[in-house]
Amino acid sequence: ILNVEQSPQSLHVQEGDSTNFTCSFPSSNFYALHWYRWETAKSPEALFVMTLNGDEKKKGRISATLNTKEGYSYLYIKGSQPEDSATYLCAFPAYSGAGSYQLTFGKGTKLSVIP
Amino acid sequence: GAVVSQHPSRVICKSGTSVKIECRSLDFQATTMFWYRQFPKQSLMLMATSNEGSKATYEQGVEKDKFLINHASLTLSTLTVTSAHPEDSSFYICSARDDITGGGEKLFFGSGTQLSVL
Repeated sequence: ILNVEQSPQSLHVQEGDSTNFTCSFPSSNFYALHWYRWETAKSPEALFVMTLNGDEKKKGRISATLNTKEGYSYLYIKGSQPEDSATYLCAFPAYSGAGSYQLTFGKGTKLSVIP
Repeated sequence: GAVVSQHPSRVICKSGTSVKIECRSLDFQATTMFWYRQFPKQSLMLMATSNEGSKATYEQGVEKDKFLINHASLTLSTLTVTSAHPEDSSFYICSARDDITGGGEKLFFGSGTQLSVL
């Protein structure tokens, strides 16, 4: 069983504040690391798929970094807005011995942005 | 962007009944779909991988006779919870990858089904 950990579990920030949270994953047999945003009553939506050590990806005010050697990724949100309130999931893909593809998810970080 | 439609969004049923959940890829083909289950305060856990035209692959501890999966076309997978019991009450969500673009292996998700068995 792969261990994907996210911290903190939940986070409350004021509108305009910048914030970040962490995903740790196995550093061996690395293929990629996914970040998803899951708003209440909606479908999880992919933010980033990161594959290269040292990679940094950006989408608007949200960015993510990746360290595959030590097994962690940070997600940053600059100038948080109420619409950023969601649960942010990271997921670690792997292939089983039979060749089947599987994503192992962390429990997520629930972000609440207070207006 | 790719859209996955999942129905119903909420089901309340009596113990012993069967419940069918549908997952459709609306604008792309998906040879493979994934069914996840989430209990409160837990992570999404993969239950099974649904393969079009062949048998689903179930994860360890998931009863294949309890959770029947049918993937009859490139855009539709169904999960049937047979003879549901209160311990089957959970949030079930499906996902798929786009066969053509691959999408970088990212998944497109349905909006989930909250099953409550009385």
